[in-house]
Amino acid sequence: AQSVTQLGSHVSVSEGALVLLRCNYSSSVPPYLFWYVQYPNQGLQLLLKYTSAATLVKGINGFEAEFKKSETSFHLTKPSAHMSDAAEYFCAVSDNTGRRALTFGSGTRLQVQP
Amino acid sequence: NAGVMQNPRHLVRRRGQEARLRCSPMKGHSHVYWYRQLPEEGLKFMVYLQKENIIDESGMPKERFSAEFPKEGPSILRIQQVVRGDSAAYFCASSPPEVPGGYTFGSGTRLTVV
Repeated sequence: AQSVTQLGSHVSVSEGALVLLRCNYSSSVPPYLFWYVQYPNQGLQLLLKYTSAATLVKGINGFEAEFKKSETSFHLTKPSAHMSDAAEYFCAVSDNTGRRALTFGSGTRLQVQP
Repeated sequence: NAGVMQNPRHLVRRRGQEARLRCSPMKGHSHVYWYRQLPEEGLKFMVYLQKENIIDESGMPKERFSAEFPKEGPSILRIQQVVRGDSAAYFCASSPPEVPGGYTFGSGTRLTVV
């Protein structure tokens, strides 16, 4: 069985500060890992995904994430927060066995203070 | 190239009525997934379908819920005899055949049971 743990249901940063959203996963097979962003009353937008190629993955809007197998982590970072980054962020895992369902973490709400 | 289209965006049903949620996948995507998001929670997988086939329904409640993806037309998630606990946002996603899919999510249907 797969699972995702997102540490911190709420994270608050100042505009221009580093954004770090934590995600740890559990998977018995090599995982595929995803970060999604959800703005209020909207669907989920894919930020980036790890599919066993480069361990440092760059996504949209200046976000990136690093896959660390030894730590079973896939933390999301952005060097400088912007007000428009305020949203809910979800980490998700699937596997390469053909079962395509995504298992989501419970989400982290990012607030950006002016 | 339209994205994943879900309708209606908002649906209000009285207890005991039926709810029918529709999802049209992206052009070229032959795989459809339904997820449910309860307030303040992440998304939970419900069902994965291809045309005329249910591939994985491990997340579907055993009673009152059904899904289909006919040869022609949108995928339908049907909830019979709705109860208050069915109130949630229901998201549809689609992906192309290759794994891992580039899951694209719709904007969701927000079901309120009164």
